[in-house]
Amino acid sequence: DTEVTQTPKHLVMGMTNKKSLKCEQHMGHRAMYWYKQKAKKPPELMFVYSYEKLSINESVPSRFSPECPNSSLLNLHLHALQPEDSALYLCASSQDVGPNTGELFFGEGSRLTVL
Amino acid sequence: SQQGEEDPQALSIQEGENATMNCSYKTSINNLQWYRQNSGRGLVHLILIRSNEREKHSGRLRVTLDTSKKSSSLLITASRAADTASYFCATTGGAQKLVFGQGTRLTINP
Repeated sequence: DTEVTQTPKHLVMGMTNKKSLKCEQHMGHRAMYWYKQKAKKPPELMFVYSYEKLSINESVPSRFSPECPNSSLLNLHLHALQPEDSALYLCASSQDVGPNTGELFFGEGSRLTVL
Repeated sequence: SQQGEEDPQALSIQEGENATMNCSYKTSINNLQWYRQNSGRGLVHLILIRSNEREKHSGRLRVTLDTSKKSSSLLITASRAADTASYFCATTGGAQKLVFGQGTRLTINP
C-alpha cells in the first residue's frame, strides 16, 4: 500500500467553525507533512512530524493546529480561519526526514473554502 | 523565499516533441527531486538525483544536475497528452524539509 489518504476531499466552512482535516498512511513512514497550496503556486510547508513529534512549524498561525495521534495518522485542526486560508491542503509522508529526505508520497489533498 | 526557481513558467508544445524544464536553486543541496501535479491533485514523485550525480534516466525522463551552476533540468522525450501537468523541482539542504520551486505548467497539444 503506497497510498496517503486524505479526508475530506472538499470542505466549506465559516470563519467561526471548527473542523479537522485527516491524513492516513500505512507505509510505516516516520515523517509526515502538511503543505498548503494556493492556485498556480508551489506547495508551501506548514508542519513536519518526525517519529510522531512536531519537528518543524513554519511560523503557521495558531488557528491551524496539527496533531499526530500515532505513526499512521496526521490531523490538522482548523478554527477561526480567514477567507485567505482557502487553499488545497496536502498531506505527505516519507520514510525518513532530514537533510537526505527522499521521496515524499502525497495525498490527493483537501480543498478548503472559508466563507 | 522558495529555494528553487523554474524556467519557463509555462510551456506549450505539440505531442511527440520534447519538453525541457529548468530549475535553479540558491544553497547547497543533498538531493534534488522532480514532481508532477495534475490540476488540483496531489503531487507525484518522478525522480531523485543526488548531489554527487550528474545525470539520471527514468523511462522518458532525463534529469541533469550541475551543482557548480546550482541548476537542474528535466527533459521529457516524445511527449504525450497525458504529460500535461505542472512540474516542480524540490530540494533538501541542511534543513529537514523539502522546498519546492515555482513550477512549470506544461501543456501538450494533440
